[in-house]
Amino acid sequence: GAVVSQHPSRVICKSGTSVKIECRSLDFQATTMFWYRQFPKQSLMLMATSNEGSKATYEQGVEKDKFLINHASLTLSTLTVTSAHPEDSSFYICSAREVWQPQHFGDGTRLSIL
Amino acid sequence: GNSVTQMEGPVTLSEEAFLTINCTYTATGYPSLFWYVQYPGEGLQLLLKATKADDKGSNKGFEATYRKETTSFHLEKGSVQVSDSAVYFCALDNSGNTPLVFGKGTRLSVIA
Repeated sequence: GAVVSQHPSRVICKSGTSVKIECRSLDFQATTMFWYRQFPKQSLMLMATSNEGSKATYEQGVEKDKFLINHASLTLSTLTVTSAHPEDSSFYICSAREVWQPQHFGDGTRLSIL
Repeated sequence: GNSVTQMEGPVTLSEEAFLTINCTYTATGYPSLFWYVQYPGEGLQLLLKATKADDKGSNKGFEATYRKETTSFHLEKGSVQVSDSAVYFCALDNSGNTPLVFGKGTRLSVIA
């Protein structure tokens, strides 16, 4: 079946560091990719939607200069958390889909900022 | 607008008990409906889906039937196992390329 690969699975870094998370669709072309943030014991919070070759659409309250999203190809999207601070620590999950197909999710990235 | 409401958790069951997690939705048109499962520390996995009224999705012993008359898509399993302990999310898709609309999730704990 369709697989979405997300790397790294865990990052621990110092405050002020920028962190890049990659999301790849392995056996389908993802016309749209989504980035979510999940706080402990809560549902997923959609951060942004990106279509290949165009700028991401950010949800209200999400800082686009803080969370840079690039969707350069139909199989790869990246999320860069710039100048990360402890409050950015969270579980980030990417998702990808083809039109009219179910969304498939990566395994998530646990980001811990010291 | 579109929305999904699912029963609040946590739900705690003994092994081999019967499971029902209720899910109702509000949507215009004819959405597709999904159940996703999230095991601890992992992303979401598609558990089952149904794309039209009266369809039954099933996988790994779980079932859910798309009931348009009651706008529901309740998840059921006849005999749960400890390995079923996870968070279950009900979701709908109404447009084909926009993000899923999720319920808040229901945490299930199965004890031996």
